[in-house]
Amino acid sequence: DGGITQSPKYLFRKEGQNVTLSCEQNLNHDAMYWYRQDPGQGLRLIYYSQIVNDFQKGDIAEGYSVSREKKESFPLTVTSAQKNPTAFYLCASSLRDRGKNQPQHFGDGTRLSIL
Amino acid sequence: RKEVEQDPGPFNVPEGATVAFNCTYSNSASQSFFWYRQDCRKEPKLLMSVYSSGNEDGRFTAQLNRASQYISLLIRDSKLSDSATYLCVVNGASGTYKYIFGTGTRLKVLA
Repeated sequence: DGGITQSPKYLFRKEGQNVTLSCEQNLNHDAMYWYRQDPGQGLRLIYYSQIVNDFQKGDIAEGYSVSREKKESFPLTVTSAQKNPTAFYLCASSLRDRGKNQPQHFGDGTRLSIL
Repeated sequence: RKEVEQDPGPFNVPEGATVAFNCTYSNSASQSFFWYRQDCRKEPKLLMSVYSSGNEDGRFTAQLNRASQYISLLIRDSKLSDSATYLCVVNGASGTYKYIFGTGTRLKVLA
């Protein structure tokens, strides 16, 4: 089945450590996104990528980094500069059809906590 | 003013009731509109896209009012399983790949 796979489901970070969250899609979507969701809050955009080897900062990019070396993959690194990383991280992808954005598809998320 | 605004609720309704949510957006150039459903501690799932002419999917009806810049979601004959948070999503300005999410409206359907 086509879809988006995020791993791991749960992740724990030690002080000063960088951690990488994986996101892979086999939907042949051009655009991919990373969001952060805090308890009781809405989704906030961290980074997004429209095509391979290109990405843009979202609203809360500080302390995060991404790469887009392959169409299928858009990993997110939470660096030690992100002082409050505990959150639910969601990866999404979307297709653009005849100039109009189609709905986003989401992975089932990664819960990151500080040890 | 937020780009996308929703009443956070919660809306507590009895089973079988009809409930409606509105969502207002600020960018008149927005072209794509969606309703998602999010269950507690889960990822958002697409409920329906919202088309200019309005659209219906079973008990769910979505409407778009471009003049007043809002979209609506109507749920008829509410079920216990409809209890969730409903997210309004609007595509950013024309040509952008960004999607703007509302903070969601929480619905509780009571037995």
